[in-house]
Amino acid sequence: EVQLVESGGGLVQPGGSLRLSCAASGFTFNTYSMNWVRQAPGKGLEWLSYIASDGSITYYADSVKGRLTISRDNAKNSMYLQMNSLRAEDTAVYYCARYRGSGSYGDYWGQGTLVIVSS
Amino acid sequence: EIVTTQSPATLSVSPGERATLSCRASQSVSSNLAWYQQKPGQPPRLLIYGASTRATGIPARFSGSGSGTEFTLTISSLQSEDFAVYYCQQYDNWPPYTFGQGTKVEIK
Repeated sequence: EVQLVESGGGLVQPGGSLRLSCAASGFTFNTYSMNWVRQAPGKGLEWLSYIASDGSITYYADSVKGRLTISRDNAKNSMYLQMNSLRAEDTAVYYCARYRGSGSYGDYWGQGTLVIVSS
Repeated sequence: EIVTTQSPATLSVSPGERATLSCRASQSVSSNLAWYQQKPGQPPRLLIYGASTRATGIPARFSGSGSGTEFTLTISSLQSEDFAVYYCQQYDNWPPYTFGQGTKVEIK
């Protein structure tokens, strides 16, 4: 069974940093590209970042470019999102999602981890 | 960046009735469009990809159609578990992947 479990969310002050993790199981992690998608309270879905299966290619949404860094450790079946210079508008549930290759759709999603940026 | 626009924002439907949701792309995305269902407190669930292919385990009452810039998700006979928010996502011209703003299907 495919499972994606996010962790690392919490309350952080504006300007602070947080590192989210996504632990994958039930599939051959190193053959799938992965993405982070977020959802602000009561709002829609916003794609944030993509990483290729081998980690060699990454993309970011303009809204987070320069502040977020995506990475993965295929030996640990895990993906990460380093979030710096956090703002109130970054408050959201952050989902990791397995995508069916580049230029694709998310076929499995984690339950999400909540990040609250507030003083 | 391709903008995807969903309509209506809210759709009020009685159980057993048909629901038709629309998604429009600002430029052609061929058939590279997916639909997701999201219930409160849950992550999105893939329903349709390639504009018309049902994902694994998705009931036949869900169907997708369209290509280019105009797409439709149809739920043929709404069940109680289908009341949720539905999102479309284009994956033809990326990054970024872009989602529509969602259509909430509520009980009439």
